[in-house]
Amino acid sequence: DIQMTQSPASLSASLGETVSIECLASEDIYSNLAWYQQKPGKSPQLLIYYASSLQDGVPSRFSGSESGTQYSLEINSLQPEDEGDYFCQQSYKFPLTFGSGTKLEIK
Amino acid sequence: QVQLKESGPGLVQPSQTLSLTCTVSGLSLTSNSVSWIRQPPGKGLEWMGVIWSNGGTDYNSAIKSRLSISRDTSKSQVFLKMNSLQTEDTAMYFCARKGEAYFDYWGQGVMVTVSS
Repeated sequence: DIQMTQSPASLSASLGETVSIECLASEDIYSNLAWYQQKPGKSPQLLIYYASSLQDGVPSRFSGSESGTQYSLEINSLQPEDEGDYFCQQSYKFPLTFGSGTKLEIK
Repeated sequence: QVQLKESGPGLVQPSQTLSLTCTVSGLSLTSNSVSWIRQPPGKGLEWMGVIWSNGGTDYNSAIKSRLSISRDTSKSQVFLKMNSLQTEDTAMYFCARKGEAYFDYWGQGVMVTVSS
């Protein structure tokens, strides 16, 4: 199975700041990576697909990038509504696997 | 618009079989694939399996021996059956539409507790 190592497990940042969340794939996944945001008691919502494509309706302050097997989600100009959990997910090989998640707190 | 909604029992006894239904609207199961994904309380997401638009299935090898996914296209429903439930199967269970390589529509989820 492809392991997705996500970091950090949690982070706290202030309004207006920029944060980055990373996922390291255990093998090449050829940009087959998505990012999701999940708020308490809700289902995950797709933010980014194919590593850097922004899902319709997602604010442009969210962006994705890649370098080799390392994938990053950057959130610029943090807003209060950005608080929640973030997960990466690879879709290159079955079983599809997720990162362990990052809890983002807005100070 | 596309909607998915899970339903099923909230409580299942250990060693029993879990049966869940995902009712979809706004999309056809003959041209869309649907996955089941679960999330234990306070933990991460685990992909369980998928039923493809052609009716074929793929399962997570970790639970393949206990899992079955099927559908009724006339009712726009996808079914999950998992046997030999244990306490570690306690989780929120989601169904989601599988796009090309990602999940773009999710149900609200149904909480299943395995307990006697």
